[in-house]
Amino acid sequence: GENVEQHPSTLSVQEGDSAVIKCTYSDSASNYFPWYKQELGKRPQLIIDIRSNVGEKKDQRIAVTLNKTAKHFSLHITETQPEDSAVYFCAANPITGNQFYFGTGTSLTVIP
Amino acid sequence: GAGVSQSPRYKVAKRGQDVALRCDPISGHVSLFWYQQALGQGPEFLTYFQNEAQLDKSGLPSDRFFAERPEGSVSTLKIQRTQQEDSAVYLCASGKLAGGYRGNEQFFGPGTRLTVL
Repeated sequence: GENVEQHPSTLSVQEGDSAVIKCTYSDSASNYFPWYKQELGKRPQLIIDIRSNVGEKKDQRIAVTLNKTAKHFSLHITETQPEDSAVYFCAANPITGNQFYFGTGTSLTVIP
Repeated sequence: GAGVSQSPRYKVAKRGQDVALRCDPISGHVSLFWYQQALGQGPEFLTYFQNEAQLDKSGLPSDRFFAERPEGSVSTLKIQRTQQEDSAVYLCASGKLAGGYRGNEQFFGPGTRLTVL
């Protein structure tokens, strides 16, 4: 089955700086890659996603890039704010399967 | 509109007890997923329903875990003879489309935190 690895596990940045979180996946059949933000004790919420037919997608301060050849995708947050502090999960969804395979999460702390 | 809801939000069980966790998906959503999230980890797949049919239960860790969705809406995850290793947050997610379809966004509930003493 699919194996998703996520790095780093923890990340601290100064307010206003950029944050980058990277994920790799193993199954070339994966073609949908969502990113979820989970605040402490709350549900995971989708913040951005990308499909395999595009290489980059941007939504205001958040962007995701996908390299299908290398099987990796990354989340970029610019101009970070304290409210960006949370755990971020990447996931991969093989077209042949039903489930999402999640990474182990990145705990992002934005220091005011 | 209303999102995915789960109940109870917190459950404490003594080892050996049976528990039942409920998920109310978004109305009209075809897909329903259960995930187990251990502390500090990402959600791990347990089982998947398309309407009332349980199409994938490959993630259920043992035969003590059982899930149903008899009318294609509300789902219940039951754990029999709970063990300490069952302690985790159990997340339910629903999707508008049938699973396996590219880009079927999953909407998560708040989870049930199960603690087995």
